[in-house]
Amino acid sequence: AAGVIQSPRHLIKEKRETATLKCYPIPRHDTVYWYQQGPGQDPQFLISFYEKMQSDKGSIPDRFSAQQFSDYHSELNMSSLELGDSALYFCASSLGGGTSPLHFGNGTRLTVT
Amino acid sequence: AQKITQTQPGMFVQEKEAVTLDCTYDTSDQSYGLFWYKQPSSGEMIFLIYQGSYDEQNATEGRYSLNFQKARKSANLVISASQLGDSAMYFCATRPMEYGNKLVFGAGTILRVKS
Repeated sequence: AAGVIQSPRHLIKEKRETATLKCYPIPRHDTVYWYQQGPGQDPQFLISFYEKMQSDKGSIPDRFSAQQFSDYHSELNMSSLELGDSALYFCASSLGGGTSPLHFGNGTRLTVT
Repeated sequence: AQKITQTQPGMFVQEKEAVTLDCTYDTSDQSYGLFWYKQPSSGEMIFLIYQGSYDEQNATEGRYSLNFQKARKSANLVISASQLGDSAMYFCATRPMEYGNKLVFGAGTILRVKS
């Protein structure tokens, strides 16, 4: 079965650089989510899109932005990177409401040096 | 308010034995779901099992089962016949309506399977 595809798997950037993470959700899933997971922490919600419209926003810094495109793929753009942005970034997708599971991609491990 | 509580930061289990990972939750939703995810050291987040609040039977998926006690608001994960590959972080999660149905995780339990 098709899964959520994220790219790249690993990314190394320097402070103040920009980064773009890509996500291809499971076909026909109507909602895409972005999560950030710091070392030893549980994943924290950043932002979500329902049918290509932003549906919810969590603790996402103003330096970050995201969008979902007409082909349903999503991108998370991060600018002015800081050391504290080093984390595992997950994209997930789901179909339906609160009783449906989120299916996660393999994540992008971002290291900011 | 904490929605998901996992009180065991770490657990050890002998290979081939069963282990229970605890999860309690707090919700005012009438209909809700509880999810368990596995995160191995390689980092991916793997969906394991789902329990709906109105499901009369405890959910099972292969060696995973959920011990769901609605009145006690607990949804413990039981892994039978543990294998070395079960060593991972395990997260309990739910999607509260008051949080816009986004997935909210507990702090996780690290499970180590000993040979």
